[in-house]
Amino acid sequence: DTGVSQDPRHKITKRGQNVTFRCDPISEHNRLYWYRQTLGQGPEFLTYFQNEAQLEKSRLLSDRFSAERPKGSFSTLEIQRTEQGDSAMYLCASSASGGRTEAFFGQGTRLTVV
Amino acid sequence: DAKTTQPNSMESNEEEPVHLPCNHSTISGTDYIHWYRQLPSQGPEYVIHGLTSNVNNRMASLAIAEDRKSSTLILHRATLRDAAVYYCILRTPGNQFYFGTGTSLTVIP
Repeated sequence: DTGVSQDPRHKITKRGQNVTFRCDPISEHNRLYWYRQTLGQGPEFLTYFQNEAQLEKSRLLSDRFSAERPKGSFSTLEIQRTEQGDSAMYLCASSASGGRTEAFFGQGTRLTVV
Repeated sequence: DAKTTQPNSMESNEEEPVHLPCNHSTISGTDYIHWYRQLPSQGPEYVIHGLTSNVNNRMASLAIAEDRKSSTLILHRATLRDAAVYYCILRTPGNQFYFGTGTSLTVIP
């Protein structure tokens, strides 16, 4: 297993278009997280899954954002009707259960909305 | 949300120890203290974590205050590859991670 992988690494889209990002977690991890990071800021929590169940969504996750994790494996994050303010790095992480376990992050998907 | 406070930036000379402080006065009894670091254009990387006792691993040491309201990440000998943003995070019982703005560490050759 090579760790958490995210696809694509970079995405440039026009305002108003829809985009979808994919995250493949470490295979034995049942928890999966999405974060957004803008320049100079720490990652902001968006949502997390335990297996296929989406357990928490940040208020940052507007109605234009939706995340899924079918069958508790890979996850997708979709942004509809993109806005320039959506430009950011979108990070995915996975972990095993329990507060004592570390999370492993992917390299992120950098979204630029023009 | 659990909050942490860190200095915005710190500098260290190469091959000298670095002590990165973190305050977390609102920590609850079940929160784990995690440290991650992030190199430019990469995702955060796990460094170390602990609950009450001091912890050591191959990357660093974590010193936790007796009242758990603060902690210090110790890099024993800073190298140029340690230049990164270091985040101190409280992992809640719900398992979310809430990041602050972190400490940007500059290592001077």
